[in-house]
Amino acid sequence: AQTVTQSQPEMSVQEAETVTLSCTYDTSESDYYLFWYKQPPSRQMILVIRQEAYKQQNATENRFSVNFQKAAKSFSLKISDSQLGDAAMYFCAYRSASGNQFYFGTGTSLTVIP
Amino acid sequence: NAGVTQTPKFQVLKTGQSMTLQCAQDMNHNSMYWYRQDPGMGLRLIYYSASEGTTDKGEVPNGYNVSRLNKREFSLRLESAAPSQTSVYFCASSRDFQPYNEQFFGPGTRLTVL
Repeated sequence: AQTVTQSQPEMSVQEAETVTLSCTYDTSESDYYLFWYKQPPSRQMILVIRQEAYKQQNATENRFSVNFQKAAKSFSLKISDSQLGDAAMYFCAYRSASGNQFYFGTGTSLTVIP
Repeated sequence: NAGVTQTPKFQVLKTGQSMTLQCAQDMNHNSMYWYRQDPGMGLRLIYYSASEGTTDKGEVPNGYNVSRLNKREFSLRLESAAPSQTSVYFCASSRDFQPYNEQFFGPGTRLTVL
């Protein structure tokens, strides 16, 4: 079975600095999709960024970018110019190409220090 | 445009009681999902409905049933609640079942089973 591991339960970053959240996953599939979701204190999950496994180019969305290493099965999230509003729980997620398997990691709680 | 709405927001049940969690979306999405979130764990998929008229089991379906009432609504039923079902439940929807599609989440229902 596929698993998603986030080894950093908590991280902190100074406002305006850069932070990287780690995620590794285990799969025997060659095609799949990876996501980072943000869950602020309000609890509602929001998509931050996504990556298709067959695309070698790393995805970027404004201040958010990923470092996707397919061979290492690693999918880290980099947040640049951190803002107070970035404080949240961040979940890494894996979805199979068939779509019927969707696995989340245990999350990383990010604190932004003013 | 309310997005994904869930009712109730909070619920306390006694062991053995039944209840139905309601979910509705107004984005004309074809696919809907139910997840549970437990402390220290990521979201786990309970059931999903790839399109109106279809439902399928996810990772943790035992003890639950679902109904895709129409395109907008997808309910989750606990027939005989158990303390192990104490959790936060999230409903989500996506445009269709393509694995790349963003899922939009509701605000969650916090359920406690005594």
